[in-house]
Amino acid sequence: GAGVSQSPRYKVAKRGQDVALRCDPISGHVSLFWYQQALGQGPEFLTYFQNEAQLDKSGLPSDRFFAERPEGSVSTLKIQRTQQEDSAVYLCASSLAATSTEAFFGQGTRLTVV
Amino acid sequence: SQKIEQNSEALNIQEGKTATLTCNYTNYSPAYLQWYRQDPGRGPVFLLLIRENEKEKRKERLKVTFDTTLKQSLFHITASQPADSATYLCALDGGFKTIFGAGTRLFVKA
Repeated sequence: GAGVSQSPRYKVAKRGQDVALRCDPISGHVSLFWYQQALGQGPEFLTYFQNEAQLDKSGLPSDRFFAERPEGSVSTLKIQRTQQEDSAVYLCASSLAATSTEAFFGQGTRLTVV
Repeated sequence: SQKIEQNSEALNIQEGKTATLTCNYTNYSPAYLQWYRQDPGRGPVFLLLIRENEKEKRKERLKVTFDTTLKQSLFHITASQPADSATYLCALDGGFKTIFGAGTRLFVKA
């Protein structure tokens, strides 16, 4: 596609519910990143994939967060047993090279946990 | 730990003037620094990257400086336009990840 696509754009989940957020990166991009952005803050790193390998997951806030990119293209971020503090915008980004430079971001998924 | 500071207060300027945004960082020596623009409800958009051995970089009306001694980057928009109104994020190289500042909101008045 022309850009990074994320779905859904908005998600309302009841506390305790599991959610899955999808990211379609730009075709051919090696690197894929997930970030979490709270209102009025900059994006906070969650995890990084180089092709299908998850090379850094140091930013995942708890073991309720899980990400995968099984075929080196589409990625899914899953949050189990959602809690109110998980409410944020989740951004996906991809870049051509195996670095975080000049990343292309999707529009994000706004998750609200009620 | 690494820390990035950007002006938390919004910057209001008149159309045609030069906007200057500041990014200071501590406890880090990045190989490069990036600036992104973010509009409400959208993801960040990459603008410029400057490496540690570069003092200044320009792109159209944008200019970025990088002072590794002061641990500071300045981002300038010359001949500013209302369409430049957005949040501008400073971002440091963190290896595989990018470390973002909280951003500075810029308002350009016609």
